[in-house]
Amino acid sequence: QVQLQESGPGLVKPSQTLSLTCTVSGVSISSGDSYWSWIRQPAGKGLEWIGRIYTSGSATYNPSLKSRVTISVDTSKNQFSLKLSSVTAADTAVYYCTRESYFYSYGMDVWGQGTTVTVSS
Amino acid sequence: QSVLTQPPSVSAAPGQKVTISCSGSSSNIGNNYVSWYQQLPGTAPKLLIYGNNKRPSGIPDRFSGSKSGTSATLDITGLQTGDEADYYCGTWDGSLTAGVFGGGTKLTVL
Repeated sequence: QVQLQESGPGLVKPSQTLSLTCTVSGVSISSGDSYWSWIRQPAGKGLEWIGRIYTSGSATYNPSLKSRVTISVDTSKNQFSLKLSSVTAADTAVYYCTRESYFYSYGMDVWGQGTTVTVSS
Repeated sequence: QSVLTQPPSVSAAPGQKVTISCSGSSSNIGNNYVSWYQQLPGTAPKLLIYGNNKRPSGIPDRFSGSKSGTSATLDITGLQTGDEADYYCGTWDGSLTAGVFGGGTKLTVL
């Protein structure tokens, strides 16, 4: 079955860049029927959509984060990645990678387990 | 402040029915499909409803979704203690050109 796994540093210093990678297994990221997304959730708070990318490399971002976010895809490794620059404590959250599938009306049918990122010096 | 509005909490007794609302606008719910997600404590969210009213394989028919205009609703019947979770609605917003979620609703089964 399709599985997603986030990886990356759990601790990032303020003003630095947060970098996470999502490894996709069980399906080709190039299948063309899905968007690949990043979602985050601060402790005790709700979900925030960060952005998504299509296999072509075309990405769309949350306007509130757009100036700091870059999502990229590496089809050869079946991975997609998130970079968030100039982080502050407000970026501390659990970060999830997800699949937005055409077959589920672009609902997020597969989620990674999530990875906690803390921004602190 | 979330783009979609949900009640912070709802509660009901085991076996009863509960309804969770999700209110938006023409730029989001009014012109796009709505999904619902269940997040059990300490776990990643799970897709519960997609395309306004469809259930993925394995989701019991106790869970149902509907949409009317710029609002959507999640109904849960025959409540079980295992249904205690946070529930989120989500959709696409054409004006923001971004995905959006409700603030989440905490369900307590008394």
